Amino acid sequence: QVQLQESGPGLVQPSQTLSLTCSVSGGPINSGDYYWSWVRQHPGRGLEWIGYVYPSGRAYYNPSLKSRVIISVDTSKSHFSLKLRSVTAADTAVYYCARDTVQDPRMDVWGQGTTVTVSS
Amino acid sequence: DVQMTQSPSSLSASVGDRVTITCRANETIRNYLNWYLQKPGKAPNLLIYAASTLQSGVPSRFSGTGSGTDFTLTISSLQPDDFATYYCQQSFTIPLTFGGGTKVDIK
Repeated sequence: QVQLQESGPGLVQPSQTLSLTCSVSGGPINSGDYYWSWVRQHPGRGLEWIGYVYPSGRAYYNPSLKSRVIISVDTSKSHFSLKLRSVTAADTAVYYCARDTVQDPRMDVWGQGTTVTVSS
Repeated sequence: DVQMTQSPSSLSASVGDRVTITCRANETIRNYLNWYLQKPGKAPNLLIYAASTLQSGVPSRFSGTGSGTDFTLTISSLQPDDFATYYCQQSFTIPLTFGGGTKVDIK
């Protein structure tokens, strides 16, 4: 079955850019049936949707982060990526990637999550 | 943004209890409502989508109802594996938003 795996630095300096990649295995990333999402969870808090990307490359973002975020997809490498610039301590969180279905939208497959700490 | 409000924020229950969690949207989201379970240190796991459709592989003791603005997740007979935090999420409009969560722990 489809599996997702996040990767990237666990520590990012303030004002720098957080960069994460989600590798997709066990199924095609270029299916028109899915969006590919990023969600984060601040320590001890709830879930916040960051945005998602369609295989075409069209991306949709949470307005609260839109000015700082880029989500892209590389179908040839079967992965999609998150870049969040100008990070602060408030961006410290567990970052999850997830598959979101186009029909009856729901996040039905999740990565295990990766902890990113913003600190000098 | 569509605000999702869950209640209660936490509850204590015993194995075998019937548990009900509610989720309210501040505007109509039709039936675009999903429920997830999350255990500590783990990713969320989809339980129910489109308000009432059970995700494949999820036990039938979980059920969901509602449409418009008011939704309910029911666990008919709580099992040891069900002690976790539950989140609702609306998929009607961007930005996708989650409820604050309901933590179910052992009485």
